[in-house]
Amino acid sequence: NAGVTQTPKFQVLKTGQSMTLQCAQDMNHEYMSWYRQDPGMGLRLIHYSVGAGITDQGEVPNGYNVSRSTTEDFPLRLLSAAPSQTSVYFCASSARGGGNEKLFFGSGTQLSVL
Amino acid sequence: AQSVTQLGSHVSVSEGALVLLRCNYSSSVPPYLFWYVQYPNQGLQLLLKYTTGATLVKGINGFEAEFKKSETSFHLTKPSAHMSDAAEYFCAVRNDYKLSFGAGTTVTVRA
Repeated sequence: NAGVTQTPKFQVLKTGQSMTLQCAQDMNHEYMSWYRQDPGMGLRLIHYSVGAGITDQGEVPNGYNVSRSTTEDFPLRLLSAAPSQTSVYFCASSARGGGNEKLFFGSGTQLSVL
Repeated sequence: AQSVTQLGSHVSVSEGALVLLRCNYSSSVPPYLFWYVQYPNQGLQLLLKYTTGATLVKGINGFEAEFKKSETSFHLTKPSAHMSDAAEYFCAVRNDYKLSFGAGTTVTVRA
């Protein structure tokens, strides 16, 4: 009954370092997505996937890569971290359908880039 | 293209008073509209959603929202605020698989 699991919960990076934020869901959801949350800006879509092997860009994709090799996992990679990527990151998933499905969110990863 | 505007970044209400959070959207197609709530240090939880049919939608924790196409609005209300309603609330519109969020409204509840 885990739902959407994100790791780590907190991370501090130095400028230029790379890292991967992990996201896993156990609900057999086809749709998965990554958002970043910044004060006063709500949540902005980074990348999303509608199934294994299929990914697409969202609103703010620059500086981030994703892949979807399995239905369960959707990692987000920061190739060369920048201070502008300091944010709270949320992974979300839903069943695939007509677009009105409920999104299930993870508890977030708080990332600081120094 | 679609977008959401939430009017008011902070709302303060007394316990027992009406809660009204305003949301206006723009969408080129009939929208799917959502309200999510975020409690401190947690992810977002769905409060309610509008897809088609009845324009007054009831959600969890006593919240409801009314879809008004002529006003392109989807305002969230609760007749009587409780201390546990203190949180951040997000309005969102979904087209295909892209969910666009408003900037959020933080609700504080005064005893």
